[in-house]
Amino acid sequence: QITLKESGPTLVKPTQTLTLTCTFSGFSLSTSGVGVGWVRQPPGKALEWLALIYWNDDKRYRPSLKSRLTITKDTSKNQVVLTMTNMDPVDTATYYCALRPIAGNNWFDPWGQGTLVTVSS
Amino acid sequence: DIVMTQSPDSLAVSLGERATINCKSSQSVLYSSDNKNYLAWYQQKPGQPPKLLIYWASTRESGVPDRFSGSGSGTDFTLTISSLQAEDVAVYYCQQHYSTSITFGQGTRLEIK
Repeated sequence: QITLKESGPTLVKPTQTLTLTCTFSGFSLSTSGVGVGWVRQPPGKALEWLALIYWNDDKRYRPSLKSRLTITKDTSKNQVVLTMTNMDPVDTATYYCALRPIAGNNWFDPWGQGTLVTVSS
Repeated sequence: DIVMTQSPDSLAVSLGERATINCKSSQSVLYSSDNKNYLAWYQQKPGQPPKLLIYWASTRESGVPDRFSGSGSGTDFTLTISSLQAEDVAVYYCQQHYSTSITFGQGTRLEIK
């Protein structure tokens, strides 16, 4: 059974850096073709893809947020970490991590339950 | 970025009736080398993460009821629920993965009439 779980702070102040960890089980990020992505969802709004890291350490970022995002993986710990700098209240959202299961196809399945991050002073 | 536009924004359908949700991409998501449309559909129920329903525009994910079907090619796609059940109340999203910059539609809220 594949599971993913997001963890990190629930509240950050404006200008701070957010660090979120996705801890997963049931697959290995060293398996060819596999990837883990991050998607966020502001309250009551649509899904927004943020970043994706592949088994070979290739990385992709949302162009509009690329300067603020860093995604890394620790294969031995089964974790993927997303950092986002210079947080703003508009970054308030539920942040999800999800598995990209098949080489060459960037759909996500399954997803973690998500973690709500509020940006406020 | 490829812009994904869904219609309608919300939809109310009677139980047992057909529900149709449309998704249009700003450029084709049909990959010529494999003739596949890089388009997925997700269902998100209140308080839950999204769940993959369909990939490659028309392939149902394992375990998804066959009342859900996807169709379309190029830039125009449709998710159809043939006979609406109460448990289908949710927001539905399309997503393109043709481009390495992944984008989602704005979502369509499906309710019971």
